[in-house]
Amino acid sequence: AQSVTQLDSQVPVFEEAPVELRCNYSSSVSVYLFWYVQYPNQGLQLLLKYLSGSTLVKGINGFEAEFNKSQTSFHLRKPSVHISDTAEYFCAVMRGSGGSYIPTFGRGTSLIVHP
Amino acid sequence: DAGVTQSPTHLIKTRGQQVTLRCSPKSGHDTVSWYQQALGQGPQFIFQYYEEEERQRGNFPDRFSGHQFPNYSSELNVNALLLGDSALYLCASSLIQPNTEAFFGQGTRLTVV
Repeated sequence: AQSVTQLDSQVPVFEEAPVELRCNYSSSVSVYLFWYVQYPNQGLQLLLKYLSGSTLVKGINGFEAEFNKSQTSFHLRKPSVHISDTAEYFCAVMRGSGGSYIPTFGRGTSLIVHP
Repeated sequence: DAGVTQSPTHLIKTRGQQVTLRCSPKSGHDTVSWYQQALGQGPQFIFQYYEEEERQRGNFPDRFSGHQFPNYSSELNVNALLLGDSALYLCASSLIQPNTEAFFGQGTRLTVV
């Protein structure tokens, strides 16, 4: 079975500053990795995903993430945040092949962008 | 494309009652998964339906049941509601192959009083 740990429950940051949201996973097999964003009272929207290939993945809204197999991490980054980026961010892992194709989610990181 | 739609958006039920939540998948998708998201937590997998059959199930009691219809839409039923069932219930649709991305609906906020 796989699991996900989001190391920070809350990340406060000022507008236009860079941000990194940390995610570590555990799995004994190859994995797919995802970052989702959830705005208040809404469902989850996919930001980006890693399936294979280049370890640097670019997503929507200027976000990117880097897959690091040796450190079993998939940290999310943005060079300059906006007020509108304030939301809950979820990292998820799914078995890469031959698995149940059910993603396991972390507990989430609340990104709070201050003016 | 309307995406994944869920109904109702909000619901208040009394402990012991039964509830049915509904989900229409994104056009072209054949697989529907249901998640429970308690306040301040990540989504927890309840079950997944494909070809009108329950394909996978998470660690939820039998009070939670579901159904998928020939048009791929789905229902989640919860019997004998407990206060702890209060949560946001999310529906996600995907393709069985390749199953590499799930699209989520806005969710149904269930409050049990």
